[in-house]
Amino acid sequence: AQSVTQPDIHITVSEGASLELRCNYSYGATPYLFWYVQSPGQGLQLLLKYFSGDTLVQGIKGFEAEFKRSQSSFNLRKPSVHWSDAAEYFCAVAAGNTDKLIFGTGTRLQVFP
Amino acid sequence: GAGVSQSPSNKVTEKGKDVELRCDPISGHTALYWYRQSLGQGLEFLIYFQGNSAPDKSGLPSDRFSAERTGGSVSTLTIQRTQQEDSAVYLCASSLERSGAFSYEQYFGPGTRLTVT
Repeated sequence: AQSVTQPDIHITVSEGASLELRCNYSYGATPYLFWYVQSPGQGLQLLLKYFSGDTLVQGIKGFEAEFKRSQSSFNLRKPSVHWSDAAEYFCAVAAGNTDKLIFGTGTRLQVFP
Repeated sequence: GAGVSQSPSNKVTEKGKDVELRCDPISGHTALYWYRQSLGQGLEFLIYFQGNSAPDKSGLPSDRFSAERTGGSVSTLTIQRTQQEDSAVYLCASSLERSGAFSYEQYFGPGTRLTVT
């Protein structure tokens, strides 16, 4: 069965520090992978997606992610975190012919000034 | 352009009452999804619409949950005889329909927070 694992429930970083959020997936075929961000009281906003091709994908707000098939990973990175990046981050895989999203449990990011 | 909208934004209801949640997708998006976000279960898929038909209802937790879509646009999620465990944020998303092997991203609405007392 398809699944997504985000091993870090909560991460705290200082503003200006680099960030890496981990995501591992289990999916039989070539996965379509996504990272979404959710700010308090807000809906989900797409940060970036991977469908095929270049394994390093660029997204909005300075985020990037790298697809590594051998490790079944799709980790999210940002070289310098801003206080406004504090939010919850969800990794997801699109499953089956309907492309319904299977989400990880999320990682809550806290940023200290 | 306009995004996905949902109403109401908040709903408080008594246990045993029926509720209806509404979703207005982005114009032209034929695919529509409902998800539920709760503390215990995280984000989980409920149902998928392709046009007005629902070929995937596999995520509906019980027969108290139903959904319909009319005119290939607005969708309504109905929960009958609500229970406290139904308390959650219900999210709607829409996208263009898959084209062959190419899939499109889903755009989410702000959600409806349902509280069952």
